[in-house]
Amino acid sequence: QVQLVESGGDVVQPGRSLRLSCAASGFTLSWHGMHWIRQAPGKGLEWVAVIWHDGSKTDYADSVKGRFTISRDTSKNTLDLQINSLRVDDTAVYYCARDGQEGRPPYWFFDLWGRGTLVTVSS
Amino acid sequence: DIQMTQSPSSLSASVGDNVTITCRASQSMGDFLNWYQHRPGKAPELLIRGASSLHSGVPSRFSGSGAGTDFTLTISSLQPEDFAIYYCQQSFTTPPTFGRGTRLEIK
Repeated sequence: QVQLVESGGDVVQPGRSLRLSCAASGFTLSWHGMHWIRQAPGKGLEWVAVIWHDGSKTDYADSVKGRFTISRDTSKNTLDLQINSLRVDDTAVYYCARDGQEGRPPYWFFDLWGRGTLVTVSS
Repeated sequence: DIQMTQSPSSLSASVGDNVTITCRASQSMGDFLNWYQHRPGKAPELLIRGASSLHSGVPSRFSGSGAGTDFTLTISSLQPEDFAIYYCQQSFTTPPTFGRGTRLEIK
């Protein structure tokens, strides 16, 4: 079954770190660009980060640049998001999503999503 | 960043109705517009890419149109499983941006 399953969400204090993971099944993660997208409570969807299909490049939203790091483990077929210096406004459901273009740089649309994992930042 | 404005923000309709959701971009972007459906507790799903191309497996009652700055998603003959939140998203420039969503509710 082709699916993405996120994990790692938790309640954490401001300033702490957290690592989210996304397990891909039914397809090879390294054939696609992979993204993280988040949705804060009561807010819209916000694109967060991307890693190119070949792992050669990453890119981030300005709001997370310097604090978030996207990476992947091709041997485990997993995507990760390391979040440092967490802020209250990082509170959100975090989704991993597959880029709709296979084997090429991102086309910036998302043809497969996970159900998300909740990160709550609170003191 | 391109701003995406969806309307209405919520919509009540009955099974069998036809509904239209609109999305307006803050600048012209060709047909780089995509639509998603999000049911509570489920993963969001791609419905339409490139403004009008139906994604694999999506029922034909969903259709999209538009180009430039104005786009529409039409759902014909609503089914019970169609009551969800719908989002538009532009893939013309980075960062990709989304509309705020349209909540489609049962009347």
